[in-house]
Amino acid sequence: GNSVTQMEGPVTLSEEAFLTINCTYTATGYPSLFWYVQYPGEGLQLLLKATKADDKGSNKGFEATYRKETTSFHLEKGSVQVSDSAVYFCALSRGGTSYGKLTFGQGTILTVHP
Amino acid sequence: GAGVSQTPSNKVTEKGKYVELRCDPISGHTALYWYRQSLGQGPEFLIYFQGTGAADDSGLPNDRFFAVRPEGSVSTLKIQRTERGDSAVYLCASSLTSGRGDEQFFGPGTRLTVL
Repeated sequence: GNSVTQMEGPVTLSEEAFLTINCTYTATGYPSLFWYVQYPGEGLQLLLKATKADDKGSNKGFEATYRKETTSFHLEKGSVQVSDSAVYFCALSRGGTSYGKLTFGQGTILTVHP
Repeated sequence: GAGVSQTPSNKVTEKGKYVELRCDPISGHTALYWYRQSLGQGPEFLIYFQGTGAADDSGLPNDRFFAVRPEGSVSTLKIQRTERGDSAVYLCASSLTSGRGDEQFFGPGTRLTVL
């Protein structure tokens, strides 16, 4: 079946450090890939997405590239801020069908210190 | 505009009781999803509605769980004979259509605690 594996957290960084959160997936067909973020006290919201191989999703300085050959969608940011502290979820919606049921990873807690 | 809303925000109940959780999706969104999130885990799919019909209920854990969306807008998740293992945050999401690349907009969730 479909599954998503994220690097284990928590991740603690200093402000302006480089961030990578690894995400790999298993899926049939050609899934779409997403990163969702949950800020403290808020609901899940979409951060970025990619719908086909080699696409790069980007938003708020974050980027992730859909790598079909390595079944990966790693999240990166060149310089994190304290306001980036949140829980990050990698997710996929399976290809070959016409609806967007999401399969999520377990989440990675990011804490950024001043 | 208004986002996805869920009521109640918190629900505490006793083992064996019946509960209903409500979701108001974004107006005009045809697709509606329910997920369940346990502590320290990612959300897990429960059920998906396209319009009024449940197109996929494969994630419902057993027959104590049931959901409806009678007019294609508001949805209610119903849990009978609650068990302590049902304690979790129940999330509702909606999207304009049900394409695999469509963004889902999530509500704030209902935190269910079964004592």
